[in-house]
Amino acid sequence: AQSVAQPEDQVNVAEGNPLTVKCTYSVSGNPYLFWYVQYPNRGLQFLLKYITGDNLVKGSYGFEAEFNKSQTSFHLKKPSALVSDSALYFCAVRDSSGYSTLTFGKGTMLLVSP
Amino acid sequence: SQTIHQWPATLVQPVGSPLSLECTVEGTSNPNLYWYRQAAGRGLQLLFYSVGIGQISSEVPQNLSASRPQDRQFILSSKKLLLSDSGFYLCAWTGRGGGTYEQYFGPGTRLTVT
Repeated sequence: AQSVAQPEDQVNVAEGNPLTVKCTYSVSGNPYLFWYVQYPNRGLQFLLKYITGDNLVKGSYGFEAEFNKSQTSFHLKKPSALVSDSALYFCAVRDSSGYSTLTFGKGTMLLVSP
Repeated sequence: SQTIHQWPATLVQPVGSPLSLECTVEGTSNPNLYWYRQAAGRGLQLLFYSVGIGQISSEVPQNLSASRPQDRQFILSSKKLLLSDSGFYLCAWTGRGGGTYEQYFGPGTRLTVT
């Protein structure tokens, strides 16, 4: 069975500094990986995905993620954090069932201080 | 463009009362549809998914049920609510083929069972 681990409940960063939100995965076969963001009382918004190709994936709002097959990681990054980036971030992996179901990590709260 | 709607946005129901939450998708046809519940602790739990009209798969046993009476309509129901049914319910869709693997989420329904 597939699984996703987000080892940090919360990440704190100052505005303007780079940020990293960590994610590791376990899946049989080729991994299809995703990052989502959730603002309070809102649905999840898709940020980016890795299916195949370049290990550095660029997404919405200046976010990017680095796929590392040997470390089974897919960390989310942004060169310069904004206060408005403060939100809950989820990493997910597509299940191998063929119905495009996703297994989500437990989420990481990102707090960007002014 | 595609949009996904959920209603109601918030709901307060007494224990033992019935439940009906509705989700509709516009701008696409034959989507895969999903119901998730997000408890206060933040994690997402997949409840049901559907790959077509009348085709429902349940991920966890519970007193909830789902139906798909039309191609772009997905309904979550209960005959008698429990306190433990409180949470944030999210509907999501994904397309078929064409390299679309990510799910797109609706705005959610906040359910409080009293």
